Amino acid sequence: KQEVTQIPAALSVPEGENLVLNCSFTDSAIYNLQWFRQDPGKGLTSLLLIQSSQREQTSGRLNASLDKSSGRSTLYIAASQPGDSATYLCAVIDNNDMRFGAGTRLTVKP
Amino acid sequence: DTEVTQTPKHLVMGMTNKKSLKCEQHMGHRAMYWYKQKAKKPPELMFVYSYEKLSINESVPSRFSPECPNSSLLNLHLHALQPEDSALYLCASSQDGLSGGLEQYFGPGTRLTVT
Repeated sequence: KQEVTQIPAALSVPEGENLVLNCSFTDSAIYNLQWFRQDPGKGLTSLLLIQSSQREQTSGRLNASLDKSSGRSTLYIAASQPGDSATYLCAVIDNNDMRFGAGTRLTVKP
Repeated sequence: DTEVTQTPKHLVMGMTNKKSLKCEQHMGHRAMYWYKQKAKKPPELMFVYSYEKLSINESVPSRFSPECPNSSLLNLHLHALQPEDSALYLCASSQDGLSGGLEQYFGPGTRLTVT
């Protein structure tokens, strides 16, 4: 059964820093990996989707990479802003299931 | 339009009540999903409808009953719930089912409290 782990569980950085969030999964036979952002008590906002055949995706200040063979993905956030404060979740789809990591709670201090 | 809407936003119900959660999308997506999210936990998949047919039921208790009247609408009927069912219920949709590997779009959720 797929297990998804996110490290760190929480991260606090000053504004302007570049940062990396990590996601690992145990079964490399995935269809895709998706990164989401969730603000407290709200739904999920899709950030980036990486298909299993892709290595990375970029959107604005965000860049996500995928290494299927090692079961890892990273989300790189450049020039962080206080508005980036939220919980970031990665999710993998494999064999008719979508499984989320527990998330990284990010705080960007002004 | 990449919006998934959910109603109501909040719902408080007693253990003997019957209520329904509603979800709607107008993106032409053919797959719709229900997730349950407990506080400070990640979402957990409950049901998947693909082309209006129930394709996945993740061993959810029968007090939760999904319904897909058409490709744009998804309901979750609730009956005889327990206090531990209190959670944020999230609806999502995608162009195709899970094996299509396509992006999922989530609604804002319904915050359910069972008293």
